[in-house]
Amino acid sequence: AQTVTQSQPEMSVQEAETVTLSCTYDTSESDYYLFWYKQPPSRQMILVIRQEAYKQQNATENRFSVNFQKAAKSFSLKISDSQLGDAAMYFCAYRNLYSGNTPLVFGKGTRLSVIA
Amino acid sequence: NAGVTQTPKFRILKIGQSMTLQCAQDMNHNYMYWYRQDPGMGLKLIYYSVGAGITDKGEVPNGYNVSRSTTEDFPLRLELAAPSQTSVYFCASSYIGRDTGELFFGEGSRLTVL
Repeated sequence: AQTVTQSQPEMSVQEAETVTLSCTYDTSESDYYLFWYKQPPSRQMILVIRQEAYKQQNATENRFSVNFQKAAKSFSLKISDSQLGDAAMYFCAYRNLYSGNTPLVFGKGTRLSVIA
Repeated sequence: NAGVTQTPKFRILKIGQSMTLQCAQDMNHNYMYWYRQDPGMGLKLIYYSVGAGITDKGEVPNGYNVSRSTTEDFPLRLELAAPSQTSVYFCASSYIGRDTGELFFGEGSRLTVL
């Protein structure tokens, strides 16, 4: 079974600075999706960024980018120019590409605080 | 766009009571899921459905039941509520076919069992 590990329960960053959240996963599959979801205090799960394992290029969405290391099974999220609104729980998630009924497997999350 | 709608948003139950969490999606998604999120933890899969009339167990199905009579609706039934079921419940959906892998989530339902 696939597992996702987030080793940093809590992180903090100064406003306008850069922070990196870590995620590792375990799978025997070669094709899969990886995601970072943000959960603000409102509890809504918001997709931040998505990476397809067959793509070598790291995904980028505005201030959010990933460092995808397939051989190391590592998928870190970098937040640049951090803003107060970035404060939230961040969850790393994994999903098989071809097994359509395979749900997302989540890590336990990292709580990010942004200091003004 | 409504997306995934869950009701109720909050509920308090007494031990042994039963209730149904409602979930509806208007995106014509074929896959639907129920997750629970305990304090300080990630999401764990309770049940999922790959289409109307088809459901399957996830990681933590005990104490719950589901049905999928239509594509749009996927209710979660709690029988004989226990304090261990105190959690936040999320319904989600996705479309397999033009699959981007993404799940779309409802806003969650906070359940407290006393």
